[in-house]
Amino acid sequence: DVKVTQSSRYLVKRTGEKVFLECVQDMDHENMFWYRQDPGLGLRLIYFSYDVKMKEKGDIPEGYSVSREKKERFSLILESASTNQTSMYLCASSLVQRTPGWKLFFGSGTQLSVL
Amino acid sequence: KQEVTQIPAALSVPEGENLVLNCSFTDSAIYNLQWFRQDPGKGLTSLLLIQSSQREQTSGRLNASLDKSSGRSTLYIAASQPGDSATYLCAVPNSGGYQKVTFGIGTKLQVIP
Repeated sequence: DVKVTQSSRYLVKRTGEKVFLECVQDMDHENMFWYRQDPGLGLRLIYFSYDVKMKEKGDIPEGYSVSREKKERFSLILESASTNQTSMYLCASSLVQRTPGWKLFFGSGTQLSVL
Repeated sequence: KQEVTQIPAALSVPEGENLVLNCSFTDSAIYNLQWFRQDPGKGLTSLLLIQSSQREQTSGRLNASLDKSSGRSTLYIAASQPGDSATYLCAVPNSGGYQKVTFGIGTKLQVIP
């Protein structure tokens, strides 16, 4: 089965630090996504990428950037971490929509605390 | 814009009970719907994917149904067990060329031994 691996399960950072969250998938999926999940708000899309070096803003891109230099790897960058970015971050991947066998696969999540 | 609603937000049942979780969506032009399970502090695990051409999909004690015309899907869990305690989310790919997926906030299920 598809494996989506997030590099850290828990991360504690200081306000103002630059933070990198890494995600790797092993099934040659075109699409990769970064979500954050907060109680009562559900999953909100930060950015997604549909190809190498291609990216699109999601619903809440402010304060974040992304990088996709290789097809299997999608990085989320917090340029200057703030306390309101404390959250669970979830990476996901999929084939292009309407492709037979399309399905969304998630990593195990990174719980980020910004102090 | 697609909106996905899950009712109830939380549910507590005794072990062994059969139960139904509901998911409704506003744009019926979907081509599939996916149900996920999420344990506390963990990622989402896919349970069932039901295509728009299907009415039902089954996996073990789980059965998902889809009624596109009414904008509804249900997840039926038979003979619930304490290990079923988790949050259950449904997700719908947005229609059109945009590659987004819209999620419900989820139903938090507690099965009491």
